[in-house]
Amino acid sequence: EDKVVQSPLSLVVHEGDTVTLNCSYEVTNFRSLLWYKQEKKAPTFLFMLTSSGIEKKSGRLSSILDKKELFSILNITATQTGDSAVYLCAVEPNQGGKLIFGQGTELSVKP
Amino acid sequence: NAGVMQNPRHLVRRRGQEARLRCSPMKGHSHVYWYRQLPEEGLKFMVYLQKENIIDESGMPKERFSAEFPKEGPSILRIQQVVRGDSAAYFCASSRSLEETQYFGPGTRLLVL
Repeated sequence: EDKVVQSPLSLVVHEGDTVTLNCSYEVTNFRSLLWYKQEKKAPTFLFMLTSSGIEKKSGRLSSILDKKELFSILNITATQTGDSAVYLCAVEPNQGGKLIFGQGTELSVKP
Repeated sequence: NAGVMQNPRHLVRRRGQEARLRCSPMKGHSHVYWYRQLPEEGLKFMVYLQKENIIDESGMPKERFSAEFPKEGPSILRIQQVVRGDSAAYFCASSRSLEETQYFGPGTRLLVL
């Protein structure tokens, strides 16, 4: 059965810290891996990764995919209180359409 | 450019009633996806629709749940004879094509009393 596992499930850090969120997956016929940030409402899109070893960056956030070891990491440097959210990892199988989500990592950044 | 719209944002129903959840995709998007998020759980895929067609309903419960995406108007997720276990947040996403990113709406939080 296709599966996505995120770790840790929750994390508390202080402003300025760097965090690394993990996502491992077992999916038949992988197409892409996506990261979303979910605050109180809609999950907002962060990154889509399809190729191994190519880092994607957006400001203080970056992510990379390892298709051999079947995992991805999401890094956030110099964290701010506004980064507090649940970070969702999802994998899209090759036939497209549905996303398979992990449980999410709840990040809390304290001032 | 408005994002994905969902309404209502909150819906309260008593056991046995019907719930209708609406989703208007982003402009130019013809692919719609519904997901359910139970308390303390991740998002679970329910159904994928393209205008007037159900493409993948592998995540839909076999009974009481149905979805449509008519030629005109929003996509509708319909839950008949709701039970307490249906209480959850229901999210809709849309994409321009199968290969492009899915963008999510704010969700409808259904509470069944």
